[in-house]
Amino acid sequence: GAVVSQHPSWVICKSGTSVKIECRSLDFQATTMFWYRQFPKQSLMLMATSNEGSKATYEQGVEKDKFLINHASLTLSTLTVTSAHPEDSSFYICSVEGGSNQPQHFGDGTRLSIL
Amino acid sequence: TQLLEQSPQFLSIQEGENLTVYCNSSSVFSSLQWYRQEPGEGPVLLVTVVTGGEVKKLKRLTFQFGDARKDSSLHITAAQPGDTGLYLCADRGSNYKLTFGKGTLLTVNP
Repeated sequence: GAVVSQHPSWVICKSGTSVKIECRSLDFQATTMFWYRQFPKQSLMLMATSNEGSKATYEQGVEKDKFLINHASLTLSTLTVTSAHPEDSSFYICSVEGGSNQPQHFGDGTRLSIL
Repeated sequence: TQLLEQSPQFLSIQEGENLTVYCNSSSVFSSLQWYRQEPGEGPVLLVTVVTGGEVKKLKRLTFQFGDARKDSSLHITAAQPGDTGLYLCADRGSNYKLTFGKGTLLTVNP
């Protein structure tokens, strides 16, 4: 069964809207989760590392005020795309870190389309 | 910044054919992983290799890691339509961060 649940799977909204995406770890407590963005026919690009109980660590070039990450519990991280614009349209994927001898488990992604 | 180059970018073959895809890094891999991603889904881990020269087999898939730990190949024997997907190599670096290549989009036609 699924280890990571990501919701919603698909969202369409108007420009200027803020959109929240949830990533839940179903099987174990996760102190570390990751958020990726994938444009069509391109690879996954790491956006940020979500740390339970502390601030997220953002990759270079990713606006932290644009992409708000909250990891308030050991099973839930949320990514909020604030004031979304068409260029933010993408496939957003989260993953849960399993530890040194375990793989990362990925969610099924959220297709975000901004009109 | 590490760069992972994958080739070919696209590959379309007939069922039953063999194929090889490649992954080359600008620097030594910490831990090389191969993933397969299907449309509208997250990537799924196929294998992890860490030792130079290592060869791992997973049914019809054979993974090779170069001696210098900067390149890898994935060979699929007798491809099936179910093998269709985006094959991604990645380096699992410090703090468990993954750096992905751009992938090879494989289509296996019945």
